[in-house]
Amino acid sequence: SQQGEEDPQALSIQEGENATMNCSYKTSINNLQWYRQNSGRGLVHLILIRSNEREKHSGRLRVTLDTSKKSSSLLITASRAADTASYFCATFVDTGRRALTFGSGTRLQVQP
Amino acid sequence: DARVTQTPRHKVTEMGQEVTMRCQPILGHNTVFWYRQTMMQGLELLAYFRNRAPLDDSGMPKDRFSAEMPDATLATLKIQPSEPRDSAVYFCASGLVLAGGRNNEQFFGPGTRLTVL
Repeated sequence: SQQGEEDPQALSIQEGENATMNCSYKTSINNLQWYRQNSGRGLVHLILIRSNEREKHSGRLRVTLDTSKKSSSLLITASRAADTASYFCATFVDTGRRALTFGSGTRLQVQP
Repeated sequence: DARVTQTPRHKVTEMGQEVTMRCQPILGHNTVFWYRQTMMQGLELLAYFRNRAPLDDSGMPKDRFSAEMPDATLATLKIQPSEPRDSAVYFCASGLVLAGGRNNEQFFGPGTRLTVL
């Protein structure tokens, strides 16, 4: 199974509401990244959080990391219709393949 | 505005034909990745290069897929012969991996949508 698993698989909210997506993983990591993918496009990097960090902010994005629970969450505050996209978490482990492993993504629909 | 470019954006071919996909990474990036995305399997890492040297291609079917970096501005992914199950979107991404091998963000191209009939 994927190193990173997002939850929920799909989320539909109204504009202005907050959206929370979760990611769980299985092994110890060096960092965890969140990416966004608009339909028919490539992935765009949103934010990276290292294993020794617990929280990071970037604009309307807030990411938390709990290494004891092997989980991360992405919060988008005051959502907009333009936030409609799929969101992926990706974990990096500094052993073995030493490359990112992506989860299956959360499809977010923000209704105007 | 530096971007990863990929050509072609769309490719429709018949089973058995050779397919070549090209990628121009962002200038100055030292690592190039090839991914495949399907509804069933999600995003899979096929291969990646650092400083043009192949580091890992364990995600790639060796008998029909090959990846190369003939120079720092070009990465290619070839499928020969192609099969219907190869239909997917193929993404190239590049990044700058610093000393210690810690991974930083990756920049994705727009993808090549491949359909094999």
